[in-house]
Amino acid sequence: EVQLVESGGGLVKPGGSLRLSCAASGFSFSDAWMSWVRQAPGKGLEWVGRIKSKADGATPDYAAPVKGRFTISRDDSKNMLYLQMSSLKTEDTAVYYCPTRSGAPPAFDYWGHGILVTVSS
Amino acid sequence: EIVLTQSPDTLSLSPGERATLSCRASQSVSSTHLAWYQQKPGQAPRLLIYGASSRATGIPDRFSGSGSGTDFTLTISRLEPEDFAVYYCQHYGSTTMYTFGQGTKLEIK
Repeated sequence: EVQLVESGGGLVKPGGSLRLSCAASGFSFSDAWMSWVRQAPGKGLEWVGRIKSKADGATPDYAAPVKGRFTISRDDSKNMLYLQMSSLKTEDTAVYYCPTRSGAPPAFDYWGHGILVTVSS
Repeated sequence: EIVLTQSPDTLSLSPGERATLSCRASQSVSSTHLAWYQQKPGQAPRLLIYGASSRATGIPDRFSGSGSGTDFTLTISRLEPEDFAVYYCQHYGSTTMYTFGQGTKLEIK
């Protein structure tokens, strides 16, 4: 069974930093392209970024609102995905998910439960 | 940049009725890269449709997707009580990456 479990959320002040983790199991994590998607309270879904598999270069891509502030990384030996967030803004407040796709179609068929990040003074 | 606009914002229907949800792209997109999700309060999104018309694993056949170019539709043939939720369309592009529509809330009338 595929499982994605996000952790590391909480309350942080504007300008602060936080690192989210996503523990993966039940599939070949090292072959997977992993993403982060967020959802502000009462709002829609917003793609944050993605990291390819090591075989495909492990290169990350980012959405414009977070580029230069967020860094996505992975540790295939631990089946872990990370999102390092810095220079946080109040508008980064959201539930963060780490979905993945199991096949060729570029759609997210597996999602974690999400973790809340609140940026507030 | 591709923008996905969903309509209507809110759709009020009764169980047993047919629901038609629209997703319009700001420019022509590949059907292969168009997906639909369902999200209930407090839950993660669930993939319903990928490739514009293929149902994901375990999705009932009352859900169907269609469309091409700039206009895509999610149809729920006969609404069940558990279908009342928010629905999102999503597109993947090699340069734009993933884009979501703003969502359509399907509520009980």
